[in-house]
Amino acid sequence: GAVVSQHPSWVICKSGTSVKIECRSLDFQATTMFWYRQFPKQSLMLMATSNEGSKATYEQGVEKDKFLINHASLTLSTLTVTSAHPEDSSFYICSASPGLAGGIKYEQYFGPGTRLTVT
Amino acid sequence: GEDVEQSLFLSVREGDSSVINCTYTDSSSTYLYWYKQEPGAGLQLLTYIFSNMDMKQDQRLTVLLNKKDKHLSLRIADTQTGDSAIYFCAVLNNNAGNMLTFGGGTRLMVKP
Repeated sequence: GAVVSQHPSWVICKSGTSVKIECRSLDFQATTMFWYRQFPKQSLMLMATSNEGSKATYEQGVEKDKFLINHASLTLSTLTVTSAHPEDSSFYICSASPGLAGGIKYEQYFGPGTRLTVT
Repeated sequence: GEDVEQSLFLSVREGDSSVINCTYTDSSSTYLYWYKQEPGAGLQLLTYIFSNMDMKQDQRLTVLLNKKDKHLSLRIADTQTGDSAIYFCAVLNNNAGNMLTFGGGTRLMVKP
């Protein structure tokens, strides 16, 4: 159980175009989803947190108009990189949380990641 | 905010034990996790420990938590070449919602 998928697993796009990445929780409802970015040989950096039906909360330094996040249902969140540039090339990982568990939030399950290359 | 630190690299021989260390700064952290990441892949949750525990064992994995020193370790017994990967510790602080703070990752290399 607790499987999170991402689609596509890799994508190459031209500079200036937009790319949409999907994150799905396959066997549970995710009240909260997280989007991370990982540069080569570095740790994950949290970009934003989204709760179903409400606007995403972006971390400091992350442009919300560039990285559009939609959490339209309890099983799907999307990240759209608008007007992509080569510096946006990175590994994007989502995670999903079913929310409260025994009164304490602790479960967060990660997707396999999407490698974005902008040429 | 929370700061989580790990050493960058560890090399061991197959069959030996590996110990990966992690330190954190926020004493109100509630859950502490170890994730494994293989090249080009996402994160795989290996194990976690709640802050009121000082040890947790799960097959070849042993997690030790020293809450006084804010030190977490992951011991892998009988390390295999398939254990070669990057290992991340992550810390959850309920005062920061459901947000995890990750360490920089430790690259484990297992030599045959």
